[in-house]
Amino acid sequence: IAGITQAPTSQILAAGRRMTLRCTQDMRHNAMYWYRQDLGLGLRLIHYSNTAGTTGKGEVPDGYSVSRANTDDFPLTLASAVPSQTSVYFCASSDSGSGSNEQFFGPGTRLTVL
Amino acid sequence: GQNIDQPTEMTATEGAIVQINCTYQTSGFNGLFWYQQHAGEAPTFLSYNVLDGLEEKGRFSSFLSRSKGYSYLLLKELQMKDSASYLCAVRDSNYQLIWGAGTKLIIKP
Repeated sequence: IAGITQAPTSQILAAGRRMTLRCTQDMRHNAMYWYRQDLGLGLRLIHYSNTAGTTGKGEVPDGYSVSRANTDDFPLTLASAVPSQTSVYFCASSDSGSGSNEQFFGPGTRLTVL
Repeated sequence: GQNIDQPTEMTATEGAIVQINCTYQTSGFNGLFWYQQHAGEAPTFLSYNVLDGLEEKGRFSSFLSRSKGYSYLLLKELQMKDSASYLCAVRDSNYQLIWGAGTKLIIKP
């Protein structure tokens, strides 16, 4: 693994189904983030985690949950998917000890909810 | 509310120079970032400004004026591979990034 990986790459999901998007990083970054990206809108923060064992809500958390059991993994769960959750989902991580604390992004998961 | 404004789309010619502007109104300021995003790919980090002035990095430069809530990204000697979206983001008082919708840059031969 190099950097951040996400799985699956894409998924078509029936409304009402439960889905977990996976995110793993091998950079030992303390902070991790989940964003959604929709056409014409900026990246919007769903949930974040500043360190293993802690999570926080972002701008659009409703319908999503996260966990951070260890440093490397940060899964995002949709408990009961709805069509408005159709989007591209990006996971990111950052090292708060670095000067700029820039975020590094995974390749994304394209999710379609029908 | 918090707001990041940047033009939706710009067109420029290969070999030329283009300036992409970003204005922001946020609750607090802890740095401004520019990212590049090619179609269908993840955003990648380009630059970071926390103090006023110009930061130069090869063909790309980024400028910040905190008093005006304004930044620009300057791309010189444009190449076809620079065709991408350029995202402006501000880190607010909660140390979260607020993102603009991005500027799609089209490079013509």
